[in-house]
Amino acid sequence: EVQLEQSGTEVKKPGESLKISCQGSGYKFVYYWIAWVRQKPGKGLEWMGTIYPSDSDTKYSPSFQGQVTISADKSTSTAYLQWTSLKASDTAFYYCARRGGGRNKYLDTWGQGTLVTVSS
Amino acid sequence: EIVLTQSPATLSLSPGDRATLSCRATESVSNSLAWYQQKPGQPPRLLMYDVSYRATDIPARFSGSGSGTDFTLTISSLEPEDFAVYYCQHRSSWLSTFGGGTKVEIK
Repeated sequence: EVQLEQSGTEVKKPGESLKISCQGSGYKFVYYWIAWVRQKPGKGLEWMGTIYPSDSDTKYSPSFQGQVTISADKSTSTAYLQWTSLKASDTAFYYCARRGGGRNKYLDTWGQGTLVTVSS
Repeated sequence: EIVLTQSPATLSLSPGDRATLSCRATESVSNSLAWYQQKPGQPPRLLMYDVSYRATDIPARFSGSGSGTDFTLTISSLEPEDFAVYYCQHRSSWLSTFGGGTKVEIK
């Protein structure tokens, strides 16, 4: 079974750094793009960026370029989303999702989400 | 950047009704459009891809249509489990955007 397992809830203060994770299983992790999607409480979905674990080719939405860093570790089948200095406005659920293969190049498998709360 | 606008924001219907959800793009997206369903406390679930192809295990009461800039998701007869928020998504070669969502609520 294809699965994405995300790290747990985080509570941080403004200015702190953070790295959340997304571990894939049940498929060949390196050959599928992983995307990160933000959802602020009660709001819609925002596509942040994506990474191809095989060669770490990474693309960012213009809205998130320079604000976060997406990375991947092939040896552990894990993708990461990282901040160097969190802001209160980063409070949200963050989902990782796999882009499918073949004709279905959309987000066919999702992690359960990681809630990040940034508050002083 | 292509912007997707979904309408209506909220659709109030009863079980058994037909639901028609709209997604409009600011420029042509060809057929590179998907629909997702999200229930409270859950991640989104892929329903339709490339406009009209149902994802795995999605029942036949869901259908998608459209081309270019105007797209529709139709639920032929609402089941209790279909009351949720629906998002459209466009993907280009690597960039992607979501619409703002339509909430289908019980009337």
